[in-house]
Amino acid sequence: EAQVTQNPRYLITVTGKKLTVTCSQNMNHEYMSWYRQDPGLGLRQIYYSMNVEVTDKGDVPEGYKVSRKEKRNFPLILESPSPNQTSLYFCASSLRGVGQFFGPGTRLTVL
Amino acid sequence: AQSVTQLGSHVSVSEGALVLLRCNYSSSVPPYLFWYVQYPNQGLQLLLKYTSAATLVKGINGFEAEFKKSETSFHLTKPSAHMSDAAEYFCAVSDVGAGSYQLTFGKGTKLSVIP
Repeated sequence: EAQVTQNPRYLITVTGKKLTVTCSQNMNHEYMSWYRQDPGLGLRQIYYSMNVEVTDKGDVPEGYKVSRKEKRNFPLILESPSPNQTSLYFCASSLRGVGQFFGPGTRLTVL
Repeated sequence: AQSVTQLGSHVSVSEGALVLLRCNYSSSVPPYLFWYVQYPNQGLQLLLKYTSAATLVKGINGFEAEFKKSETSFHLTKPSAHMSDAAEYFCAVSDVGAGSYQLTFGKGTKLSVIP
């Protein structure tokens, strides 16, 4: 089954404790992206990757890092999480022009 | 730069009534346009997309949307609302014609269906 998987689905952590949210897709898509969703703000792009070893900033990259060492994986790293990063995070992947496939989301709470 | 405006953050319709969710876009190149649906506690699912072929696009679950270049609109419609349509709907635009994979989303419209 074609899918984008994210782990963990739910995470509660404390300020400053480094964390990684994993994202993996099995569709051989070259494009992958991370979004955060906040009430009233819709989805905002954090980072994206056009292919292996190619990443770029989206609209709200501050406080986040990504890497793309393999085509299927695109982890999101929060080196020092803060409460304003409490949000719902989505990973997505795509072939150009066909619309993005979204993962199920990761709900992150930073205390 | 591209942008998307969804008119109405909340829309309520009666079961069986017409659903109309509005989306206007701006784009410097011919756009690709998408509608996504998000059910509670789930990810986003692609409803339909416009990719410069037919201007009337049919999607899943009985939804359709019409691309109107003169009005820069891509409104989503469904003739008869069902309780299961209650969800949040997002319009998105992509400048694929400029070689981009990027999606810019509207802020979403939450649809309520009243029995």
